[in-house]
Amino acid sequence: QVQLVESGGGLVKPGGSLRLSCVASGFTFSDYYMSWIRQAPGKGLEWVSYIKNSGSTIYYGDSVKGRFTISRDNTKNSLFLQMNSLRAEDTAVYFCARGHFGLEVWGQGTTVTVSS
Amino acid sequence: EIVLTQSPGSLSLSPGERVTLSCRASQSVNNRYLAWYQQKPGQAPRLLIYDASNRVPGFPDRFSGSGSGTDFTLTISRLEPEDFAVYYCQQYGSSPRTFGQGTKVEIK
Repeated sequence: QVQLVESGGGLVKPGGSLRLSCVASGFTFSDYYMSWIRQAPGKGLEWVSYIKNSGSTIYYGDSVKGRFTISRDNTKNSLFLQMNSLRAEDTAVYFCARGHFGLEVWGQGTTVTVSS
Repeated sequence: EIVLTQSPGSLSLSPGERVTLSCRASQSVNNRYLAWYQQKPGQAPRLLIYDASNRVPGFPDRFSGSGSGTDFTLTISRLEPEDFAVYYCQQYGSSPRTFGQGTKVEIK
């Protein structure tokens, strides 16, 4: 079945780095834009980044621009989010999702906690 | 950036009641590119409505979406116990994509 599985979350100190991964199955990954969305504890949803199926078009939200890098490996059906210079306000559940319009498939999320 | 404002922030209703949720945009949403999501505790959001009024297969027809321009509505005609959740609107007519702050529908 169509599935997205995130990994790579954890506890990191302010200023540190993490790399999130999302593995897709059940659909032709290279046909789709992919997105990262995050949700801070008890808060709403925030679109972080999206990448075109070819990787040629990328968008970042202002809050992460210059610190986060989205990438993908279509040969491995994988999406990545490299997060550098992490701040306390980056603490959230990070979801990968298929698409960049309506997001019709979501992973279960991976938790990132930035704390000293 | 298009700011989406959802109202009310929360509401308490009984099963069987009709509910109307509002999503107002700070500027016109191109092509009615607005989606609604349902999120239950501990779960990822689920796409419910896209292009303002198209219901995703798998959701019952008691859910409907409408609107254009800056004013959009999600209606649940008769609340079922499984409908109690948080509902978010999201626009994808322009970048950055943005979400509303959510409306929590609670059991009375």
